Amino acid sequence: EDQVTQSPEALRLQEGESSSLNCSYTVSGLRGLFWYRQDPGKGPEFLFTLYSAGEEKEKERLKATLTKKESFLHITAPKPEDSATYLCAVQARTGTASKLTFGTGTRLQVTL
Amino acid sequence: NAGVTQTPKFQVLKTGQSMTLQCAQDMNHEYMSWYRQDPGMGLRLIHYSVGAGITDQGEVPNGYNVSRSTTEDFPLRLLSAAPSQTSVYFCASSYSGRVETQYFGPGTRLLVL
Repeated sequence: EDQVTQSPEALRLQEGESSSLNCSYTVSGLRGLFWYRQDPGKGPEFLFTLYSAGEEKEKERLKATLTKKESFLHITAPKPEDSATYLCAVQARTGTASKLTFGTGTRLQVTL
Repeated sequence: NAGVTQTPKFQVLKTGQSMTLQCAQDMNHEYMSWYRQDPGMGLRLIHYSVGAGITDQGEVPNGYNVSRSTTEDFPLRLLSAAPSQTSVYFCASSYSGRVETQYFGPGTRLLVL
C-alpha cells in the first residue's frame, strides 16, 4: 500500500528564516511526486511535479527536491504570504493513474 | 473563467437524509473527481470521471453516487447520510492524463448529526 508521511506537522518561522519540509514515501514504483499549497478554507493548489531522483523544481522562494525515499520543500527567506498548509502526494506507476496518495500536510506559519 | 465551483459551501444534515453536492467547471476539462479531507488524514479519492458518461470508483466510494451527463457538471450524491460522512468535500478537474495539476474547488463543509 502506498504511503506518504509529512513532517513536521506544523512549523512556525520568522520572516527570512529558511527551512525545509519533509515528505517521505513508499510506493510501488513512483510515477510522480507532487507538491500542493492549501490556504485555509480553500482547495489545494498545484505547485510542482517531480518524476525522478535528483530532480529539482523552483518557484519563487520554494524549491522541491526528490530522492528515492523522500522529497523536500525548501523555503528560502519566507514571507508571511507563504503561510499555508503544504501537501505532498505520490502517484504510483501501477494501478489507476487517477489515484494520488496524499500526506496530511505541514502547516506553515511565517511571522514578521 | 470561474474555474471549479462548488455548492453549497456549508451544509448540516441529519442522519439518513440525502443530498447532492454540486460541482461545475468551465475549463472544458475531461477529468473530474471528488475528494474528502478529514483531520489527520490525507485527501482521499471518492469517485472520478474521465469524460461525460464515464465514472469510476476511487478509494472510498461507499455511501456516495456520481453521474456525469455533461462535461461541465459532476454532482456527488449522498444516499443516506451518516456521521462518518462529516468532512470537507473537494471537487477537482483537469485535462486527461494531467491529474496531478487538477484545479480544486473551494470545498463544501458537511456536518452530519
